[in-house]
Amino acid sequence: EVQLVESGGGLVKPGGSLRLSCAASGFTFSSYSMNWVRQAPGKGLEWVSSISSSSSYIYYADSVKGRFTISRDNAKNSLYLQMNSLRAEDTAVYYCARRAGARYYYMDVWGKGTTVTVSS
Amino acid sequence: DIQMTQSPSSLSASVGDRVTITCRASQSISSYLNWYQQKPGKAPKLLIYAASSLQSGVPSRFSGSGSGTDFTLTISSLQPEDFATYYCQQSYSTPPETFGPGTKVDIK
Repeated sequence: EVQLVESGGGLVKPGGSLRLSCAASGFTFSSYSMNWVRQAPGKGLEWVSSISSSSSYIYYADSVKGRFTISRDNAKNSLYLQMNSLRAEDTAVYYCARRAGARYYYMDVWGKGTTVTVSS
Repeated sequence: DIQMTQSPSSLSASVGDRVTITCRASQSISSYLNWYQQKPGKAPKLLIYAASSLQSGVPSRFSGSGSGTDFTLTISSLQPEDFATYYCQQSYSTPPETFGPGTKVDIK
């Protein structure tokens, strides 16, 4: 079964750090680009970051640039998001999603999400 | 960056109704448009990609159309399990992978 499982969320104080992980199974992880997408409470979906299959291309939303770092370990079938200098507005459910497609790209597999709460 | 809008922001409908949701891009995105369904407390689920291609396993009552800047998601006969929030997303010019604000479909 194709699956993504996020972990690492929790409660952290403003200015603190957290590292999210996403474990992939059931597919050739090293062949796919991956995304992090977040959803603040009661809000819509916001793309956070992308990483290509070999980590050659990495992109960030302006809202997290300079504070978040995406990485992956293809040997461990794992995706990561290091979050530093966290702010209250980073409070959200964080999803990892597989980026699939050849010409037209889409996010076809999503994890269940992990919750990050930034509060004093 | 390309901006996405959706209308309506919410709608009330009955089981069996035909439902249409519109998504508009701030510039032409050809057919690089995806639709997702999200139920409360759950992850988004891909319904339609490339504007009109049905994702494997998605019921045929869902369909997508459009190109350029204007797109439509249609549910031909609304079922109880279809009450959810629907998001469009462009993949023409990335990053960022922009989502629309969502359309909530609830029970009339």
